[in-house]
Parts: sequence; C-alpha cells; structure tokens
Amino acid sequence: NAGVTQTPKFRVLKTGQSMTLLCAQDMNHEYMYWYRQDPGMGLRLIHYSVGEGTTAKGEVPDGYNVSRLKKQNFLLGLESAAPSQTSVYFCASTLGQGPYNEQFFGPGTRLTVL
Amino acid sequence: AQKVTQAQTEISVVEKEDVTLDCVYETRDTTYYLFWYKQPPSGELVFLIRRNSFDEQNEISGRYSWNFQKSTSSFNFTITASQVVDSAVYFCALSELGQGGSEKLVFGKGTKLTVNP
Repeated sequence: NAGVTQTPKFRVLKTGQSMTLLCAQDMNHEYMYWYRQDPGMGLRLIHYSVGEGTTAKGEVPDGYNVSRLKKQNFLLGLESAAPSQTSVYFCASTLGQGPYNEQFFGPGTRLTVL
Repeated sequence: AQKVTQAQTEISVVEKEDVTLDCVYETRDTTYYLFWYKQPPSGELVFLIRRNSFDEQNEISGRYSWNFQKSTSSFNFTITASQVVDSAVYFCALSELGQGGSEKLVFGKGTKLTVNP
C-alpha cells in the first residue's frame, strides 16, 4: 500500500496563477482532509470531506476550493494564488466511523507563491 | 471551541536527558480523543498515540510515556533517555465533531525538540 500520496511535492507559482494539488489514498478511507502548515502556527484545517461528493469548510478555507469526485482522491485548488498561500500543504485521511481513528498523512507539498 | 495549547515552542536537551512536552486542552465535550504526532526533519507526520477521555491510565511505550490528567486538562509526553533521533516537532491534537458528526482534529502549534549529542 502506498498510503497517502500527494502530487506535486514542490511548486512555485506567480501571484494570480492557479493550480491543483492532488491527494490520493489507497486505504479505502471515508474521510479526507487538507491542512496547511506555517511556521509557529501548527496545522490548520482548510477543507475536509466525509465521503465521495461531499466537502466542508475548515478553519481557513478562503482562497481554496476542493472536490472529491472519487473516494480515493481529494483535490485542493487555488484559483488565484497569493503570497499568503505560501505554505506546506498536507493531506490526510482516516477511516471515519468515530473520532478515535488516527489520521494518516501524506508527505506534504511545499508551495511558494511569488 | 476546542483548543490545544503547547506552551513550549522549542526545547533543547543533551542526549540521555529526560524531557517532557506539555499539552493542555480545552473542550466542552465529555467524550473526546487526544493524539500525539511526530514530525521529524524529513517532514512527514507520524502518529504516536491516541487516548480517549475515559481512560486516564498512563501509557508507556519503550522510552515514551504519556500522562493524561483530566483534572488539569493535560496530556503530557515524556521521552526518557532522549536520543538524537528524537529530534522533531511534536504535535498534540484533540478530536472534535464537525459537520454531520464528522471528526476533525484541532492541533496545537507544536514543540520543536532538539536533542544534541
């Protein structure tokens, strides 16, 4: 099993450009999450999904959109990138069915917006 | 709202010292779960432990131990005889129920531990 994978690993954008980050999991998990990690801020939840075709906002959703068309994939989109979106982005997934299940994380995507 | 506080931003110790990482949480829920994750310099997040609100027994796993005290809303993590490989950022997290009963994690800001040889 590959677990949780993220594509790409690194990306540099110019202000105003758009891009999509792809997260894939092969563990048949129901719930998937997108976080951003900034120095001194810990991990903050951007959006999450409790199943195929459903998404919800997290703590810092502005400037991002998501889609979960297939159970195994969770896409994070930036329509018009801003320097404030420079961050490391982590995707995670969990079995669901209870708050006791740990989240499994991908390796992260380092995004720089110039 | 749920909140997790890790007051120690950075800790530096010498190898073989014991070190305790503090975690204090706030929640109105009676049933909740607490987690610790490790983020080594390579960047990935690794699950270490889970504890539910009804189980206050301390847990030991090798050189790692966890002390959960509901009376003080704390879930502290101790590394005994620290090693250089323990150098990492450690996150404490609290589960909360979101939309439709879904689970979300609220993370503390992390404690960066540096173990020097």
